[in-house]
Amino acid sequence: GNSVTQMEGPVTLSEEAFLTINCTYTATGYPSLFWYVQYPGEGLQLLLKATKADDKGSNKGFEATYRKETTSFHLEKGSVQVSDSAVYFCALSVGYSTLTFGKGTMLLVSP
Amino acid sequence: GAVVSQHPSWVICKSGTSVKIECRSLDFQATTMFWYRQFPKQSLMLMATSNEGSKATYEQGVEKDKFLINHASLTLSTLTVTSAHPEDSSFYICSARDRARGVDPLHFGNGTRLTVT
Repeated sequence: GNSVTQMEGPVTLSEEAFLTINCTYTATGYPSLFWYVQYPGEGLQLLLKATKADDKGSNKGFEATYRKETTSFHLEKGSVQVSDSAVYFCALSVGYSTLTFGKGTMLLVSP
Repeated sequence: GAVVSQHPSWVICKSGTSVKIECRSLDFQATTMFWYRQFPKQSLMLMATSNEGSKATYEQGVEKDKFLINHASLTLSTLTVTSAHPEDSSFYICSARDRARGVDPLHFGNGTRLTVT
């Protein structure tokens, strides 16, 4: 089956610190990979995606590279802001299937 | 961009009553919508897949008679929590796939916070 494992949080950082949130996956078939962000009290928003090996998704300063050899899709940002505080979900889908989510990682950024 | 509207954003109801949650795709057609329940500590659980014009497909362990799903049009799916109990209190999120864009990522509603007293 499909599964996504991401690091447990919360991740607590100071503003302008470097962020890495690890995500690894197992999948039957060739998955597309996603990062979603959930701000407090809201639904999920797509942050970035990658659909094939070695693709790099990027948005709002966040990046993640699809690494087939290590089955990983780690999320990074060079300098976080307080406004980045949210829960981040790594997810995959194979074909037209729905998303398989990781459990989410809460990020807390302090001034 | 694609927008999914979910209503209401929050609702409080008494135990034993039923609550209906709507999920609309505002600027695209969605042949398939998905309903999730979010538990404390963030994890998302897929409850069911809602297919336009046909019966919903429920995940194992989800009571279909308790969580009634109707997908009557390409832009609207509803989730009705029947005879709600306090343990049904949760955050429910819908999502929809843009039919015209195939496997493009799902678009999510802003969720509904249900509190059953």
